[in-house]
Amino acid sequence: DTEVTQTPKHLVMGMTNKKSLKCEQHMGHRAMYWYKQKAKKPPELMFVYSYEKLSINESVPSRFSPECPNSSLLNLHLHALQPEDSALYLCASSRGLAGGPFAGELFFGEGSRLTVL
Amino acid sequence: RKEVEQDPGPFNVPEGATVAFNCTYSNSASQSFFWYRQDCRKEPKLLMSVYSSGNEDGRFTAQLNRASQYISLLIRDSKLSDSATYLCVVIGSGGNTPLVFGKGTRLSVIA
Repeated sequence: DTEVTQTPKHLVMGMTNKKSLKCEQHMGHRAMYWYKQKAKKPPELMFVYSYEKLSINESVPSRFSPECPNSSLLNLHLHALQPEDSALYLCASSRGLAGGPFAGELFFGEGSRLTVL
Repeated sequence: RKEVEQDPGPFNVPEGATVAFNCTYSNSASQSFFWYRQDCRKEPKLLMSVYSSGNEDGRFTAQLNRASQYISLLIRDSKLSDSATYLCVVIGSGGNTPLVFGKGTRLSVIA
């Protein structure tokens, strides 16, 4: 069982909808990540939060808006998405901060599978 | 040269076989290396971390060759349950460097 919990597991939305993906971890990790993964491809980094501050934004379109309300929670707000944004969205956390050695030891949630119609 | 390269496979091996995957990386300053396993339609899970020359955990051995800039993963006595995609992950040196994922190697262990 994963210690990173993501909701919802599945989401279908239209291009005009606004929805949010949620992620929670209670391992005391201070770095949290959003990744996007398309079928048969590796995960692509979207955002990194270190100590609740956005530290990396990998040139992600503004229709994706991350939020870190506290050290345990990470949200991804979705608005005006395109069909090509359909993918598995993975949240992860690590005890090490981005750039440090333990930053590679990620704990992933099960993901939210998003379909944009 | 891509940052992290892996043979995509698939590797189809019989149960009990020994199989090895290689992963090459381009940044000679990279310090930390990881192997993740990802089952179909599931999340990646950390399999092994490699901070020095290698690591061993049961049937799994990871080795690092800094001179040739590659990491290998050896699986002995393959089980059906080892069937998955194995992702090589590298961290660069210092700063805010994010992880770099390889594209993964697919393994199918056949009865």
